[in-house]
Amino acid sequence: DAGITQSPRYKITETGRQVTLMCHQTWSHSYMFWYRQDLGHGLRLIYYSAAADITDKGEVPDGYVVSRSKTENFPLTLESATRSQTSVYFCASSASRMNTGELFFGEGSRLTVL
Amino acid sequence: DQQVKQNSPSLSVQEGRISILNCDYTNSMFDYFLWYKKYPAEGPTFLISISSIKDKNEDGRFTVFLNKSAKHLSLHIVPSQPGDSAVYFCAASIQGGSEKLVFGKGTKLTVNP
Repeated sequence: DAGITQSPRYKITETGRQVTLMCHQTWSHSYMFWYRQDLGHGLRLIYYSAAADITDKGEVPDGYVVSRSKTENFPLTLESATRSQTSVYFCASSASRMNTGELFFGEGSRLTVL
Repeated sequence: DQQVKQNSPSLSVQEGRISILNCDYTNSMFDYFLWYKKYPAEGPTFLISISSIKDKNEDGRFTVFLNKSAKHLSLHIVPSQPGDSAVYFCAASIQGGSEKLVFGKGTKLTVNP
């Protein structure tokens, strides 16, 4: 079934480890996004990408790295995980910048950093 | 500084009654507003939107009202159903841009049978 998928759905890691969250979409949407959801903060943008090889920082980019070598994939890497990065991470995509802001979200990846 | 505010963390309503979820914004440059709905263990899904050139947009049981002078929008659900129980996020953008869509913290709606 076409859509946007995230993996893993659940991940437990330790402080200092590197973790990569994967995001794959089958719509060939140009724009892709990574958000984190935390209690008391709602959804906050980490990074976004307008096209392959084009990425830009969002509101809370520190401690995260992204890449987009292919249109359909947008992995998010925590190079050295910290407890403050315990969160639920959502990947999203949009057909274009001017798509009236409507985003299509994945089901989320719940990350726990011990 | 929070640009999109949902001041009620939760709301409880009886089935069949009206649910009113509120959202305030501070950035006068915002000109497109959206509501997303989120069930537990799922990603948010788009519900309804409104452009700043309108003051009302209706889609079935869902109506969004925009008061630009007060920088306030609200989502009305009539009649409320138990399946509407979810977290509702208000979001705003400038010129409908997908990037840097700004979200509120969300309001958890519970519709009691």
